[in-house]
Amino acid sequence: GAGVSQSPSNKVTEKGKDVELRCDPISGHTALYWYRQSLGQGLEFLIYFQGNSAPDKSGLPSDRFSAERTGGSVSTLTIQRTQQEDSAVYLCASSLRTSGGGSYNEQFFGPGTRLTVL
Amino acid sequence: RKEVEQDPGPFNVPEGATVAFNCTYSNSASQSFFWYRQDCRKEPKLLMSVYSSGNEDGRFTAQLNRASQYISLLIRDSKLSDSATYLCVVNAPGGYNKLIFGAGTRLAVHP
Repeated sequence: GAGVSQSPSNKVTEKGKDVELRCDPISGHTALYWYRQSLGQGLEFLIYFQGNSAPDKSGLPSDRFSAERTGGSVSTLTIQRTQQEDSAVYLCASSLRTSGGGSYNEQFFGPGTRLTVL
Repeated sequence: RKEVEQDPGPFNVPEGATVAFNCTYSNSASQSFFWYRQDCRKEPKLLMSVYSSGNEDGRFTAQLNRASQYISLLIRDSKLSDSATYLCVVNAPGGYNKLIFGAGTRLAVHP
């Protein structure tokens, strides 16, 4: 079946502009995550959505970052007034419904959006 | 201190070599542990989960030492196709799938 898809694959923007990054999760996956990966760094958690629950925004680096998930499926990550330090690969992942007690459902990643802020 | 720390890379090994990667994590309440593989300019993919009893998948063996908060990955009989970055991943306690990634260890297998 289709995996996680993201668009655009590459985005070059000027400092101060707003950008929107899109993620289409795997059909039936209710959990959706955004990460970013700077050059040579590990993945940094940004935000997590699970069904209709309030999202966990604890990883968003500033109030310039926001994300929505409409209809429990597609998600959009918006970065306002982009800065050069926002340049990174933004990765989206989805998984089956999560559960408590430390159990785990595998996260499947999309190919990412490479954002370059000039 | 970083939440997940890994061996600095890169590891350059010949085909057929055995190579081991180490990782330490800081939160003793973490309960789930994984190794992910990430090829150059590609997304991470789950390689294997790590269990307290240790687990093996073909040429790959993962070990967990909860007391020392230490995770390892052993690759035997390295192949050229094993060249990639290996990410040590730990769940953040909180009852769901929030993952904390190490910066990764790069492996280059040469003929």
